[in-house]
Amino acid sequence: GAGVSQSPSNKVTEKGKDVELRCDPISGHTALYWYRQSLGQGLEFLIYFQGNSAPDKSGLPSDRFSAERTGGSVSTLTIQRTQQEDSAVYLCASSPRTPPTQYFGPGTRLLVL
Amino acid sequence: EDKVVQSPLSLVVHEGDTVTLNCSYEVTNFRSLLWYKQEKKAPTFLFMLTSSGIEKKSGRLSSILDKKELSSILNITATQTGDSAIYLCAVEALGGNMLTFGGGTRLMVKP
Repeated sequence: GAGVSQSPSNKVTEKGKDVELRCDPISGHTALYWYRQSLGQGLEFLIYFQGNSAPDKSGLPSDRFSAERTGGSVSTLTIQRTQQEDSAVYLCASSPRTPPTQYFGPGTRLLVL
Repeated sequence: EDKVVQSPLSLVVHEGDTVTLNCSYEVTNFRSLLWYKQEKKAPTFLFMLTSSGIEKKSGRLSSILDKKELSSILNITATQTGDSAIYLCAVEALGGNMLTFGGGTRLMVKP
C-alpha cells in the first residue's frame, strides 16, 4: 500500500516568506508526527497529532511554527516569516495505534536564503 | 528530559567487517527502543525492543536491549556497501507522544 507522502520534496524560499509543507499519512493511521532534521543533527520532535485529541505542540521552536491536521488525515506544517535557521529537512511520520512504530515520509528539504 | 546518546558518531569499515553501534538512554517510564536506518531523507524501521536480553535478528542485523545498563547495541555482520547509512536510535516513553532520537551513527562501508 501507499506509504507516507510529503510535498513539496524541495522548497527554496526567501527569508521572511511563509511556507506550507504537506503530509499525507498512511490511511488508517491515527497518529501523525512532524520532525525536523538540521544538517548533521539528529531528529528533533516538533508536533504530534493523535485522533481528535488536542495536538502536542511542545516541540515547536517558536510561534512562527504551526500545524494542523484536517479530518484526521492530511497535515500541514506552516512556518511564518522564515529564517535561515529554519533550513532543514522536515519529516512527517504516521503510526497506527498499535504497534507504535512510526513510518516516515520522504521529507521536505527546506532552504531559506 | 529524555536523552539518547549514540556512539560512535561515525565509523568507516571495509566490506566483510562486523560493526557494533551503541545507544544509551535516559528516559522516564521507558516503553520501547527503536532502531532506524536513514540512507537519504526518510528513516526506515529496523527493530523495536521492549524486553531486556532478547535478541532481535533480521538477516545480518541484530539488536539487543539491556535495561539494567540503559543501552542497546546494533550489530551488523559481513557488512556490505549497501549498509552505508546513518543509524538512528530512538526511545519511547509510556504515555509519551513522540520518539526521542539520538544523534545517529554515520556508517560508511568501503569496498
